[in-house]
Amino acid sequence: NAGVTQTPKFQVLKTGQSMTLQCAQDMNHNSMYWYRQDPGMGLRLIYYSASEGTTDKGEVPNGYNVSRLNKREFSLRLESAAPSQTSVYFCASMRGPQDEQYFGPGTRLTVT
Amino acid sequence: QKEVEQNSGPLSVPEGAIASLNCTYSDRGSQSFFWYRQYSGKSPELIMFIYSNGDKEDGRFTAQLNKASQYVSLLIRDSQPSDSATYLCAAPNTGFQKLVFGTGTRLLVSP
Repeated sequence: NAGVTQTPKFQVLKTGQSMTLQCAQDMNHNSMYWYRQDPGMGLRLIYYSASEGTTDKGEVPNGYNVSRLNKREFSLRLESAAPSQTSVYFCASMRGPQDEQYFGPGTRLTVT
Repeated sequence: QKEVEQNSGPLSVPEGAIASLNCTYSDRGSQSFFWYRQYSGKSPELIMFIYSNGDKEDGRFTAQLNKASQYVSLLIRDSQPSDSATYLCAAPNTGFQKLVFGTGTRLLVSP
């Protein structure tokens, strides 16, 4: 039981490049989330998927797209990376309303 | 916007003391509350949850909930240097299937 896994762990991009961050969970959770966390800051929700087949914007969706591929997998895409997207990205999953979230180990992204 | 608020700290306590971390929330529909610990460079890790008014104890940790005052706290007894981390409080945003996180309180436990 791996919980929530994320790939890659580290990535360096040049401005304008694109990439997809992958997230998978094996806990049969309904909801999945993408957050970013900047140094000394709290978690900011980018996008979430309350259930398979649905996605919704969070606080900071600009510059990102998401795909809920199936119940297990939720990917985050940066179409044209910008230095302002340098951050640590966390994926999380949750079984249902009023439940706790479980986090993946994070992806450390640097955009130069 | 439904909010969860915490004092950012740092909260400094000596080893062996009790650390008290506090959190207030605005969504009266929230029924469950969570405390996460986040070490520098790591992901948040769930350490306590509480659903009912009153206290819930787990080892050196005690979570306290007062729904009337919309207040949640975490007490860490016999604080250890290894408890030095950022502690995040979270509550459900009812109707939207997501958690609202506070910005976290940084705890420093000195030997």
